[in-house]
This record gives sequence, C-alpha cells and structure tokens, in this order.
Amino acid sequence: NAGVTQTPKFQVLKTGQSMTLQCAQDMNHNSMYWYRQDPGMGLRLIYYSASEGTTDKGEVPNGYNVSRLNKREFSLRLESAAPSQTSVYFCASRTSGVFTDTQYFGPGTRLTVL
Amino acid sequence: SQKIEQNSEALNIQEGKTATLTCNYTNYSPAYLQWYRQDPGRGPVFLLLIRENEKEKRKERLKVTFDTTLKQSLFHITASQPADSATYLCALASGTYKYIFGTGTRLKVLA
Repeated sequence: NAGVTQTPKFQVLKTGQSMTLQCAQDMNHNSMYWYRQDPGMGLRLIYYSASEGTTDKGEVPNGYNVSRLNKREFSLRLESAAPSQTSVYFCASRTSGVFTDTQYFGPGTRLTVL
Repeated sequence: SQKIEQNSEALNIQEGKTATLTCNYTNYSPAYLQWYRQDPGRGPVFLLLIRENEKEKRKERLKVTFDTTLKQSLFHITASQPADSATYLCALASGTYKYIFGTGTRLKVLA
C-alpha cells in the first residue's frame, strides 16, 4: 500500500518548456488535489478533482492544466513554464465520512524554472 | 476574503514542556478544522480534526481546542520531545472540497 506517489521528485526546466507532474493513489479515494507550497505562502490549491471525470479550479490555477485520468491518477501539466512556477508541488487524495475528513499527501515534486 | 493566520516565528521549547501553537481565522465559519505535521522535505501528515461543536479533542500527547467565538484553535503537545520538532499546519474546509491552509509554525524542541 504505497499511499500517494508523485513523479518526478525533482525537475529543472527552462522558461517556456512544458512538463507533466504525475500523481497516483492506491487508497480508492474519490477526491484528489494539487497544491503548491512556497516559503511564507503556505499550501495553495491549484486544482482539485472531486471525483473521477471532474476537475475544478482552486486558488491559483493560472498556467496549469490537470487531467483526472482515472480514479487512481491525477496529473498536473505546465504548458509553458515560468520562473514564478518554481515551487514544491504536492498531490493529495482525500477520504471523508461522517466522522472523518483527511487528506493524504505525496512526497512532493521540487520544480525549478530557470 | 478567508484568511488563516499562524505564528510565522519559530517556537523553541525545552523538552518535557507543553508546546502551544495558535491558529486564527477570519471571514469564515468552518464546520471543522484540521491540524497537520510537516517534516522538512516531506508532505504534510494529518494529525487531528476538530468539529465546530467539539470544544476539545485529544490524541495521545496531542490536544486541540476550537473556539468559534474567538475564531481560534489551539494545538498543544504535552511532554514534548525532540522528535516533535516539525512544522505544524492548520487547515479549514472552505466548502465541500476546498481547503485553506495556514503558513505553519515551526516547532523546535530542545533536548
């Protein structure tokens, strides 16, 4: 049971390059999330997927696209990377019920855009 | 706009003492609040959830309080240990699926 996995762990891009961050969860959760974390800013929601087949914008969606490929996988794409997108990116999946609401985070992808 | 504030300054305490971290929020009335722990280079890990109708919740050495009048949650670690050193984040549910996170407070427990 791996939980939430993310690839790659590290990436360096040049301005204008594109890339896709991959995320997968094996906990059969319906909801999945992409956050970015910057010093002094905390975690900010980029996009989320409430269930397979749906995606919605979060607080900072500009410059990103997402795909909920199936229930397990939720990818984040940067079409034309900019230095402002240098950050640590976390994927999370969520379980919720009457007595619980928990997000499980992956290990993160550290992205540098030159 | 909805806002969460955590003390951005690091908190240093002596081993064995109780650490108290604060989370204040404005312009919102959340149904519940969560606390997460984050170690350097890792993703956050869920610790506790407290609902608006719960004044206090405990889990082993952890205690969380939730005062909806003051719009504040306090997170306590009793008998603190060096292994408790980490950054602690609070988060509010904003609607059914979205969350707002605080910037976190870094705790260092000195041996």
